[in-house]
Amino acid sequence: GENVEQHPSTLSVQEGDSAVIKCTYSDSASNYFPWYKQELGKGPQLIIDIRSNVGEKKDQRIAVTLNKTAKHFSLHITETQPEDSAVYFCAASIQGGSEKLVFGKGTKLTVNP
Amino acid sequence: NAGVTQTPKFQVLKTGQSMTLQCAQDMNHEYMSWYRQDPGMGLRLIHYSVGAGITDQGEVPNGYNVSRSTTEDFPLRLLSAAPSQTSVYFCASRQGSTNEKLFFGSGTQLSVL
Repeated sequence: GENVEQHPSTLSVQEGDSAVIKCTYSDSASNYFPWYKQELGKGPQLIIDIRSNVGEKKDQRIAVTLNKTAKHFSLHITETQPEDSAVYFCAASIQGGSEKLVFGKGTKLTVNP
Repeated sequence: NAGVTQTPKFQVLKTGQSMTLQCAQDMNHEYMSWYRQDPGMGLRLIHYSVGAGITDQGEVPNGYNVSRSTTEDFPLRLLSAAPSQTSVYFCASRQGSTNEKLFFGSGTQLSVL
C-alpha cells in the first residue's frame, strides 16, 4: 500500500528564515497531495494542496512543489513567523477506487523570535 | 458555522469498558472518517464512510465499530477498551472525492487505564 515518509521530524528556525519540509510517497498512482497544519490542542487544518498535473503552487508565504518522477513533494514557508510554529503533516491520496489519504508522521516546526 | 463537532473532548476509561465517541457535521458532507493520532505515528485511518449506510475499514480498524445512519452523524464505538487504544481521536469530513479538503474536528483525548 501507499507509504508516506516525512522529514525532518523536528525543525527549528529563526523568525524570518525559510523552512522546508519534505515528503516522499510510494504509489505512483497518487494524484493529490495536501499539507495540514495542527496547532496545539486543535485538529489539523488544510493549508495548501497540489494535484499531480501541477508542479508548484503558491499561497502568500507558503508554497508546495511536486516532483512526480522522483515521487516527492515539499512544503516551503518563507519569512517564518512565531505563529507558524505547529506540527505539519503531508498526505498522499490512495487511488484504485479507494477514498483514503495516507499521512506522514508529522514535522514539529518551531519558529524562534 | 459549527463544522465538525466531536464529543467528549476528554475521556478516561477502564480496561474492558465500552463507549461511543460522537461526531457530527453540519456541512452536508458525504464522506466522514475517523483517525487516531499517536506520538510519532501521525494520523492513521480507523474507519470511513462515503455516505449514509456505507462504511469501510481503514488502516487500523481492529477494536472499533462504526455506523452511518444519517449524513450528519458518524459515531465510533469501542466495545471493550484496551490500553493500546489510548490516543487522540479525530473525526473528519469532506464533500465528494478524495481530492477535496478534509475538515477535522477538535479531537477527543482518550485514556484507557
